[in-house]
Amino acid sequence: NAGVMQNPRHLVRRRGQEARLRCSPMKGHSHVYWYRQLPEEGLKFMVYLQKENIIDESGMPKERFSAEFPKEGPSILRIQQVVRGDSAAYFCASSPRQGANTEAFFGQGTRLTVV
Amino acid sequence: RKEVEQDPGPFNVPEGATVAFNCTYSNSASQSFFWYRQDCRKEPKLLMSVYSSGNEDGRFTAQLNRASQYISLLIRDSKLSDSATYLCVVGSTGGGNKLTFGTGTQLKVEL
Repeated sequence: NAGVMQNPRHLVRRRGQEARLRCSPMKGHSHVYWYRQLPEEGLKFMVYLQKENIIDESGMPKERFSAEFPKEGPSILRIQQVVRGDSAAYFCASSPRQGANTEAFFGQGTRLTVV
Repeated sequence: RKEVEQDPGPFNVPEGATVAFNCTYSNSASQSFFWYRQDCRKEPKLLMSVYSSGNEDGRFTAQLNRASQYISLLIRDSKLSDSATYLCVVGSTGGGNKLTFGTGTQLKVEL
């Protein structure tokens, strides 16, 4: 049973380009979470999705950022017109259900560098 | 005030020492509590869940005090391989299982 798969592992974009980060949850997991970790800081919640639905996007910046989790295929975190401040590690996590004491399993992350 | 606060660290301890991490959380409605471990430039991995009755896993003991909104982690007989950043994590289930992370405490175990 493969773990949470994220790709690419490393992504370099010039300012103004678009970044697409992909996350395939563990088999049987229908809940996906995206977190961002800025250098020397903790993980910050961005968005929680279930298949075809955004459940909680309270941590998403209001502009340029969007996320989806289609019926088929991976979850996508999309950042339009990237700026240097978007440089960070983006982690995806998945869980099989919601509820107390449900462990979330993390992918290895995508390290985005904006030059 | 941060939702989850931890000791700033870093903690530098000799091998074999006992080390304690403390954490407080602000949301009294929080329902789940965890300690995660994060190695440098790697993903967080669950170390252990934390229950009100306290729980132990080998050299690791976690405690939860809901009244004080306080969580602790104790590592006994620390090993070099315990060197990592320890993240206090609190979960809420209002609309999912959103995890809120503390900024982490770095531990360095030295010879």
